[in-house]
Formats: sequence, C-alpha cells, structure tokens
Amino acid sequence: GESVGLHLPTLSVQEGDNSIINCAYSNSASDYFIWYKQESGKGPQFIIDIRSNMDKRQGQRVTVLLNKTVKHLSLQIAATQPGDSAVYFCAETVRGGFKTIFGAGTRLFVKA
Amino acid sequence: KAGVTQTPRYLIKTRGQQVTLSCSPISGHRSVSWYQQTPGQGLQFLFEYFSETQRNKGNFPGRFSGRQFSNSRSEMNVSTLELGDSALYLCASSLDSSVLNTEAFFGQGTRLTVV
Repeated sequence: GESVGLHLPTLSVQEGDNSIINCAYSNSASDYFIWYKQESGKGPQFIIDIRSNMDKRQGQRVTVLLNKTVKHLSLQIAATQPGDSAVYFCAETVRGGFKTIFGAGTRLFVKA
Repeated sequence: KAGVTQTPRYLIKTRGQQVTLSCSPISGHRSVSWYQQTPGQGLQFLFEYFSETQRNKGNFPGRFSGRQFSNSRSEMNVSTLELGDSALYLCASSLDSSVLNTEAFFGQGTRLTVV
C-alpha cells in the first residue's frame, strides 16, 4: 500500500521494548481523545480513548495519558511487537462539535 | 457485524470531472464523517452527518459536498476535480455523537487519483 505520510516524525524501537508516542492537541475545550493506528493501505483503527475527566486509561498493552494543563497526550505501548509498526494518530473532539481533529501522526518502526 | 464499507476502493478521474463516493456505515450507526487524507496535509475533516443533517463542515471549497440518506448511508461529491484533490477519502461511522462523543470506525477509504 502507499505511505500514509512521507515526512512524519518517526519512532524506531526494538522489539520487546516499550514505545511512547506523544501528541500535542490544539483545543483546550476538547473533551474526548482517541488514538488511532493506521497500517499501510488501511483506514485508521481505534486503539484507545480517554475523556477529559480522566488522566490515565489502560487497555491491553496500551496506556493513554492525558495532561490537560499542557494539552498533551501520550500513548504507551508495552512490549512492542513488529505488528505494531504503523502510523499512530491522536484525535481530539469537543462535545457537541461533531468534528474530530487529527494530529499529524507518528510513524512507529519496530525492529526485530 | 459488517464494518464501514466504502465504494469504490480506487478511482481515476480527469481534471474537471466530478466524482461521487459512497459510504455504508456500521449497522445502527447514525453519524457519518468524511475525511481527506494526503501525505502533505494528513487527515482533514470534510463534514459530518447525523440523521440526514450536516452538523459540521471543514474548511473545504464548495466543490466538496455530501449527503446522508435515511438508512444512514452517505455519499460525498467532488465537482470540477483538480489535481490537488487526489487523496485517500475516508469515511467513519459512530453510534451517536449528539450527546457524548464515541469512537469512530473507519472504512478502508477510496483512493482518488485525478489526472
């Protein structure tokens, strides 16, 4: 498939290591945040979400941290696997705004 | 449960033509959003529909339009195509974003190439 983005920030990690992907969001009124994973040739796939009344949420091998003070989100992937190689997007939504804004994305390479 | 279905998957059009893309949301989902994805601009919001009403629109020219039918299926249309309209067009559906935002599920997209 074609590249999602040719000039994205890139994170390269060794298989088995933990990965941390960061995102600065733009709107202080945003109250719902999602991380998506996009593999080549596919649409974005939901990974995990968090609402603004929380600062941490855990899923299977993934954790999202939200710092509203500095408008920062992070996605932590534990024990990164080759199948985690993809582009990761953060997205923000304002309740009632009916519009989701996506970050630029980060490309994650996992070295075997 | 079937996912979001977009048709066609690939399309090649000539400058000046128009194109219509289709999106069938997940059964039961009433909100449908459209996005344009390009390497240079990333994922850009086009518009969102709920119960046949457009509730929000992104910063795109009027050549880009859409609609939603009573069965929640949606179409988007681009008229007078330009080379810069070449992109992956993604559709996403969600349960209901009128009260509380919920996660959106994306289709595989339609790859439009304008020559």
